[in-house]
Amino acid sequence: GESVGLHLPTLSVQEGDSAVIKCTYSDSASNYFPWYKQELGKGPQLIIDIRSNVGEKKDQRIAVTLNKTAKHFSLHITETQPEDSAVYFCAASGNQFYFGTGTSLTVIP
Amino acid sequence: KAGVTQTPRYLIKTRGQQVTLSCSPISGHRSVSWYQQTPGQGLQFLFEYFSETQRNKGNFPGRFSGRQFSNSRSEMNVSTLELGDSALYLCASSLGYRLDEQYFGPGTRLTVT
Repeated sequence: GESVGLHLPTLSVQEGDSAVIKCTYSDSASNYFPWYKQELGKGPQLIIDIRSNVGEKKDQRIAVTLNKTAKHFSLHITETQPEDSAVYFCAASGNQFYFGTGTSLTVIP
Repeated sequence: KAGVTQTPRYLIKTRGQQVTLSCSPISGHRSVSWYQQTPGQGLQFLFEYFSETQRNKGNFPGRFSGRQFSNSRSEMNVSTLELGDSALYLCASSLGYRLDEQYFGPGTRLTVT
């Protein structure tokens, strides 16, 4: 089955800096890659996604890049703000969703 | 459009009991997936229902079961509760086609004592 891994369990950045969270996957048949943000006491919120026929997607301060050859995709957050502090989950999907274990991002004011 | 709702939000049960959790998907969504979230294991897929049929199943014991009704609402049941079943149970809904976005509810926090 699919295996999804996050490179960093925690990440701290200064407010205004950029944050990059990288995720790897094992199944080359996976073709949909969403990123979720989970704040304390809430369910995961879909923030951006990318499909395998696209290399990059951007939505304001958030972007996702996909490298199908290397089987990894990354979440990029620019001009980070304290409210970006949360746990971020990546997922890979073929027939079902496989989630990584999450990266806890802390933005220091 | 209302989001995914889950009831109850919090639940405390005793080992050996059973529990039923409920999920109402976004209007128009026909697929409901259930996940178990624990600090050590992250998000683990339980099962997915589409048009009242279980379409996918994760690697959980038979004590975990679910069903979906004709209005797409779904329930999951855990029988003979164990301490290790304490977790946040999340459901997510989608239109049901491949490569669809999944939207999560707030979850039900289950504590087994």
